[in-house]
Amino acid sequence: NAGVTQTPKFQVLKTGQSMTLQCAQDMNHNSMYWYRQDPGMGLRLIYYSASEGTTDKGEVPNGYNVSRLNKREFSLRLESAAPSQTSVYFCASRGLAGLRSEQYFGPGTRLTVT
Amino acid sequence: AQKITQTQPGMFVQEKEAVTLDCTYDTSDPSYGLFWYKQPSSGEMIFLIYQGSYDQQNATEGRYSLNFQKARKSANLVISASQLGDSAMYFCAMREAGNTPLVFGKGTRLSVIA
Repeated sequence: NAGVTQTPKFQVLKTGQSMTLQCAQDMNHNSMYWYRQDPGMGLRLIYYSASEGTTDKGEVPNGYNVSRLNKREFSLRLESAAPSQTSVYFCASRGLAGLRSEQYFGPGTRLTVT
Repeated sequence: AQKITQTQPGMFVQEKEAVTLDCTYDTSDPSYGLFWYKQPSSGEMIFLIYQGSYDQQNATEGRYSLNFQKARKSANLVISASQLGDSAMYFCAMREAGNTPLVFGKGTRLSVIA
């Protein structure tokens, strides 16, 4: 099993450009998440999908859209990138709904917006 | 309001010594789970240990243990016999009841000195 995969690993965008970050998991997990990590800020939730067909906003959703394409895939789109969106983006997934179940993380995408 | 507080931006510990990383949390939900993740310089998120609010005993996993003080709303991570490979960022996170995402603290950077 590959676990949670993310593409691309690195990306440089100019202000105003758009792009989609891809995430896929092969663990048959129901829930998927997008976080961003900035220095000194920890991981902040952008959007999540508790199950296929549903998406919800997290703490910092402005400037982003998401699509739960199917049970495996959850993409994050930046329609018009801004320098404030320079960050490391992590996708995660979780299988069981119980409190104890851990979130499995992808390797991250490092995005720079110039 | 921030739900997870990690007050130590950085910590140093001598190799083979024990170290405690602090985490306090805020919730009115009686049912919740607390997690610790490690993030080495390579960037991946590694799950370390879990503590449930109703667990009778403090969680332990190898050299990691959790000093869980429910009344004080603290869940400090104790690493015994520190190793150079323990140098990393450490994040405390919480999940409340229901199918909710993890909320993370800002992290503590631990440096182990030979």
